[in-house]
Amino acid sequence: DGGITQSPKYLFRKEGQNVTLSCEQNLNHDAMYWYRQDPGQGLRLIYYSQIVNDFQKGDIAEGYSVSREKKESFPLTVTSAQKNPTAFYLCASSMGQHYSNQPQHFGDGTRLSIL
Amino acid sequence: QQQVKQSPQSLIVQKGGISIINCAYENTAFDYFPWYQQFPGKGPALLIAIRPDVSEKKEGRFTISFNKSAKQFSLHIMDSQPGDSATYFCAANSFSGGYNKLIFGAGTRLAVHP
Repeated sequence: DGGITQSPKYLFRKEGQNVTLSCEQNLNHDAMYWYRQDPGQGLRLIYYSQIVNDFQKGDIAEGYSVSREKKESFPLTVTSAQKNPTAFYLCASSMGQHYSNQPQHFGDGTRLSIL
Repeated sequence: QQQVKQSPQSLIVQKGGISIINCAYENTAFDYFPWYQQFPGKGPALLIAIRPDVSEKKEGRFTISFNKSAKQFSLHIMDSQPGDSATYFCAANSFSGGYNKLIFGAGTRLAVHP
């Protein structure tokens, strides 16, 4: 089945710790995105990437980092600099930069909590 | 100018009724307006989408109405069912410099009572 796989489903972070959230897609999409979802605030864009080895900051990139070494993978690291990391994190993908009006497809998210 | 304002925040509808969710935007450069449906613990799933050169789009019980001059669009769910109970997000896409960016509304929690 084609889709986006996020892991783990639940993650706990200790103070001062960096944690990495995994996102893998087999849709052959060029573009990938990371969003943060908080209750009552919709989805906010953290980082996005259109091609391998390229990524751009979104609206709330502070305290996060990403890499895009493979087309299929776009891991997100929540660093210790992110003081309020408790949220539901969603990864998405779409066909990419040469296409407008393309829908984004989402994974089922990772819920991150502070210990 | 990049915001998308969504209302209401929550909505209760009786089974068989019509659910209506509204969104408004400012940026006239938005070129694509999708609606997503999200169940608890799941990622959003694309429900229906419209381009600004179309005033209405219907797929089954779901209809988007689009008013370009008012910069508003809405989702209508006809014959609402308990299985439609979910959170709905409107969004607007900007395609600039080769990048697609979606701006999401804050979401509407819909409860359909039997």
